[in-house]
Amino acid sequence: GENVEQHPSTLSVQEGDSAVIKCTYSDSASNYFPWYKQELGKGPQLIIDIRSNVGEKKDQRIAVTLNKTAKHFSLHITETQPEDSAVYFCAASIGSGTYKYIFGTGTRLKVLA
Amino acid sequence: DAGVTQSPTHLIKTRGQQVTLRCSPKSGHDTVSWYQQALGQGPQFIFQYYEEEERQRGNFPDRFSGHQFPNYSSELNVNALLLGDSALYLCASSLASAPYGYTFGSGTRLTVV
Repeated sequence: GENVEQHPSTLSVQEGDSAVIKCTYSDSASNYFPWYKQELGKGPQLIIDIRSNVGEKKDQRIAVTLNKTAKHFSLHITETQPEDSAVYFCAASIGSGTYKYIFGTGTRLKVLA
Repeated sequence: DAGVTQSPTHLIKTRGQQVTLRCSPKSGHDTVSWYQQALGQGPQFIFQYYEEEERQRGNFPDRFSGHQFPNYSSELNVNALLLGDSALYLCASSLASAPYGYTFGSGTRLTVV
């Protein structure tokens, strides 16, 4: 069945350093890849997304890259700040043209001041 | 502009009981998706409603059912509760004409004892 693997499960970085979270997916028909940030007691919040016809997308300090051949996609956060501390989830659409997603197991990011 | 509203925020039920969770989508959204998030895991797709019909369903038993009302709000019903149903239940809304990128609510924490 469809699967999304996410690594690492926990990540600690010093404030100002970069953080990278990696995901792999199994369904070759997946065509949409969102990233969500979830803070304690809150629902996931969309922070950036990418579609299969794009290799890279950037929004200020956050960027996502996609390698469809390898079925890999990654989240890059530069100049990390304490408020970036949260759990981050990657997700992939299940099949093409569906609007349901399979999520990774999450990465707990801690930014140390 | 109110986002996605879910009620109640927390509840405790006994095994075998039935529960109803409620969701009001973000203003202007017409599609509602429900996800189950077990502790320490990513959200898992339960089903999606559009035009008052279940459009897509994940790998959940028939004990999980739902409804969408003409005002686009939605309910999730779970019958014959099991201990394993304890989780955070997330509602996400989107617009059928621009389906990428859900807006999630903060969820309902269900504990089955």
